[in-house]
Amino acid sequence: NAGVTQTPKFQVLKTGQSMTLQCAQDMNHNSMYWYRQDPGMGLRLIYYSASEGTTDKGEVPNGYNVSRLNKREFSLRLESAAPSQTSVYFCAAAGWGGTGNTIYFGEGSWLTVV
Amino acid sequence: GNSVTQMEGPVTLSEEAFLTINCTYTATGYPSLFWYVQYPGEGLQLLLKATKADDKGSNKGFEATYRKETTSFHLEKGSVQVSDSAVYFCALREASYGKLTFGQGTILTVHP
Repeated sequence: NAGVTQTPKFQVLKTGQSMTLQCAQDMNHNSMYWYRQDPGMGLRLIYYSASEGTTDKGEVPNGYNVSRLNKREFSLRLESAAPSQTSVYFCAAAGWGGTGNTIYFGEGSWLTVV
Repeated sequence: GNSVTQMEGPVTLSEEAFLTINCTYTATGYPSLFWYVQYPGEGLQLLLKATKADDKGSNKGFEATYRKETTSFHLEKGSVQVSDSAVYFCALREASYGKLTFGQGTILTVHP
């Protein structure tokens, strides 16, 4: 019963390094999302993909890129990491309407940029 | 755009006390409303949801009613336990395939 799986769970990067956060879902949902969580600010949407082949910017897209590789996978890339990108990142997946309306989250990826 | 406002925290209660966490929203159309809970060091878990006006979501003793007239979705529990200590997030989702918009979260601490 995996649901949404994110890797890695923990990562430390040096300023300027690049990395990709991987996300996969086994629920056959159309929509996938990347959020970041910072203290006192709740969760903010970075990018989302309403369906395979489409991606859109969310509230805080600067410094990130995404790829919707197929229906299952949605990756988030930091091309040149900055200390301001130290955060907890959550991937999520959801269907469209009806019983698929709920968004399900992965367990999070703790990223520190030094 | 859409927005969700939660009551300021943190909230500290004694075990068996009554809990209310206020949540109000601004949205166009008819969004679905959610409460998520995050335990320390973990991801977000769906606690309850309501998809239309006057619906009541409930789970694990928590309840919330979708009030369109007051644009609110307040979370309540009659008797909290220490194990309820967590961060609670109110959220809305635009109709159909929209994105989820979160409130800032409310930290709840329950003392024995």
